[in-house]
Amino acid sequence: ETGVTQTPRHLVMGMTNKKSLKCEQHLGHNAMYWYKQSAKKPLELMFVYSLEERVENNSVPSRFSPECPNSSHLFLHLHTLQPEDSALYLCASSQEPGIYEQYFGPGTRLTVT
Amino acid sequence: DAKTTQPNSMESNEEEPVHLPCNHSTISGTDYIHWYRQLPSQGPEYVIHGLTSNVNNRMASLAIAEDRKSSTLILHRATLRDAAVYYCILRDSQAGTALIFGKGTTLSVSS
Repeated sequence: ETGVTQTPRHLVMGMTNKKSLKCEQHLGHNAMYWYKQSAKKPLELMFVYSLEERVENNSVPSRFSPECPNSSHLFLHLHTLQPEDSALYLCASSQEPGIYEQYFGPGTRLTVT
Repeated sequence: DAKTTQPNSMESNEEEPVHLPCNHSTISGTDYIHWYRQLPSQGPEYVIHGLTSNVNNRMASLAIAEDRKSSTLILHRATLRDAAVYYCILRDSQAGTALIFGKGTTLSVSS
């Protein structure tokens, strides 16, 4: 138990659906992250938030839309996804952005059909 | 972040020490050496980090070469629960926030 929870743990959606992934951290951290882990590929950073402001956006397609309503919650809104977006989506948090250690949630396994 | 090189896989027996190597010949003076591991079906987990001196914590030890071009993560007594992918990552204290993961080393532990 890392103090970072993610829901749902598994999600199957069609290409025309809209869904959201939720992340919550109970660590009092100020920075939160979304990563994507595809099969056979290293983890890729998608977004970074610091105190509810987006500070990094790594050329992610607009069909992925993050939202950070407060420093404890992070969402990833999904719409019009492609099958190649099927992956494990991981949320993480750290005390501050920068080189502090990051604590990861268990991930949401997304399958796009 | 500078590049690291790790063996694709290693094997160990339970209760034996494990030395996981990492080469980072282009490391800069402001790069910290971080290790994370990812157990099956879980998110990555922070293990340890250091800059120049060797470091110990409850999970592992980190031995850093004097020229800082290589380092070794040491698990003193491997358990079955230590079977995971281990990632060696360089992080510049002056630069961004991302953890840049490579392919890591897949450690297998046999009983």
